[in-house]
Amino acid sequence: QSVLAQPPSASGTPGQRVTISCSGGRSNIGSNTVNWYQQFPGKAPKLLIYNNHDRPSGVPDRFAGSKSGTSASLAISGLQSDDEAVFYCSAWDDNLNGPVFGGGTRLTVL
Amino acid sequence: EEQLVEAGGGLVQPGGSLRLSCAASGFTFSDYDMHWVRQFPGKGLEWVALITTDGDTHYPDSVKGRFIISRQNVNTSLYLQMNSLRDGDTAVYFCVCEGFGMGAFDIWGPGTMVAVSS
Repeated sequence: QSVLAQPPSASGTPGQRVTISCSGGRSNIGSNTVNWYQQFPGKAPKLLIYNNHDRPSGVPDRFAGSKSGTSASLAISGLQSDDEAVFYCSAWDDNLNGPVFGGGTRLTVL
Repeated sequence: EEQLVEAGGGLVQPGGSLRLSCAASGFTFSDYDMHWVRQFPGKGLEWVALITTDGDTHYPDSVKGRFIISRQNVNTSLYLQMNSLRDGDTAVYFCVCEGFGMGAFDIWGPGTMVAVSS
């Protein structure tokens, strides 16, 4: 049972905009910034968004993060077939003194 | 190129021990807090351990008292000593660098598999 709640799946067609939600509590998302990771099968997760909405170098601006209260979301616009992956949200948890993760959302491009 | 490479995974019996290592290169290792994160076979991610640049360590309750994280800045290496291993510790273990602070892990190793089974 993951601390942060994500929908298990999401889907869209090429070119569409898809949003993935992430819900937490006061000790994590409510108090700290949110990060998003993208993971392809057999690979390590890759940092996609940090500090709620910042993108590391090389991440296209089709990926956008936002946060409000104890929830966050990742929006992917101009969906492409190679966006198919599992997406995880995470945030520092003040009670744990470490990061917590969502259970992951598998994105399918139809 | 910034890189992390883990080693030391394998099959171990319940109650046994294993020591993971992680070799870092391409960045100033001593400048960053380092962590171990694991991914269970069902895909969930769990934070396992943190060691700060000052050497302070933190663990979740699930591994506290059983796992020990350490680092050697001279040879840019991170370690995880795992004792009293349980079936539930079976996972892929990733060495990660907190490059952007607040638990934002910008560098990940490929992972090493730890299987605990009799």
